[in-house]
Amino acid sequence: NAGVTQTPKFQVLKTGQSMTLQCAQDMNHNSMYWYRQDPGMGLRLIYYSASEGTTDKGEVPNGYNVSRLNKREFSLRLESAAPSQTSVYFCASSERRRSGRAGETQYFGPGTRLLVL
Amino acid sequence: KNEVEQSPQNLTAQEGEFITINCSYSVGISALHWLQQHPGGGIVSLFMLSSGKKKHGRLIATINIQEKHSSLHITASHPRDSAVYICAAPKTGNQFYFGTGTSLTVIP
Repeated sequence: NAGVTQTPKFQVLKTGQSMTLQCAQDMNHNSMYWYRQDPGMGLRLIYYSASEGTTDKGEVPNGYNVSRLNKREFSLRLESAAPSQTSVYFCASSERRRSGRAGETQYFGPGTRLLVL
Repeated sequence: KNEVEQSPQNLTAQEGEFITINCSYSVGISALHWLQQHPGGGIVSLFMLSSGKKKHGRLIATINIQEKHSSLHITASHPRDSAVYICAAPKTGNQFYFGTGTSLTVIP
C-alpha cells in the first residue's frame, strides 16, 4: 500500500504559468481533500471531494480548480499562478464512513512544495 | 478568531524531559484529533479521542470535552520526537479547524 501519493514533490513556476498537482490514494477511500500550509497558519482547506463525482469549495478556493477523476485520483489545478500561491500543498483522504461531529482520520500525502516567482 | 488555539508555539526540551502541549477549542465537538508533522513535512494522525485518555507508546493524549481542552504529553522525550504537533477540531462535512501547531525540538 502506497497510501496517498502526490506529484510533483517540488515545483517552481513563473507568475501566470499553469500547472496541475496530482494526487492518488490506494485505500479505496471515498473522500479526498486539498490543503495548503503556510508559515504561521494552520492547514487550510482549498477544495474537497466527499465522494466520487462531487467536489466542493473549502476555505480558500480562489485561484484553484479541482477534478475528481475517479475514486483514486483528485487533482488540483492552478490556471494562472500567483506569488501568493507559494505554499506547501497536501492531499489527504478519508473513508467517509459516517458524518457527525467526531471527524474521521485523514491520511496525508507527502506534500508538494510550490514556489511561484 | 481562532477556533483552535495551541500553546506553546515553540518548545525546546532536553532529551528525557516530560513534555506537555496544550490545545483549547471554542467549538462543540465530540472528538479531537492530534497530528504529527515530521521535519520532512509528512503528516500523520496520532490520536482521535472523545473522552479521557489515550496512550500510544510514549505519547499520551487527554481531553476534557466540557472544558474544551486537550493535552498531548510525551514521556521520556527523544530527539526523534522533534516535530510539529497539530490539534484539529472537527466541523461539518468531515472538515477540521486546525491549530497552527507546536514546534517541538528535543536536544540530545
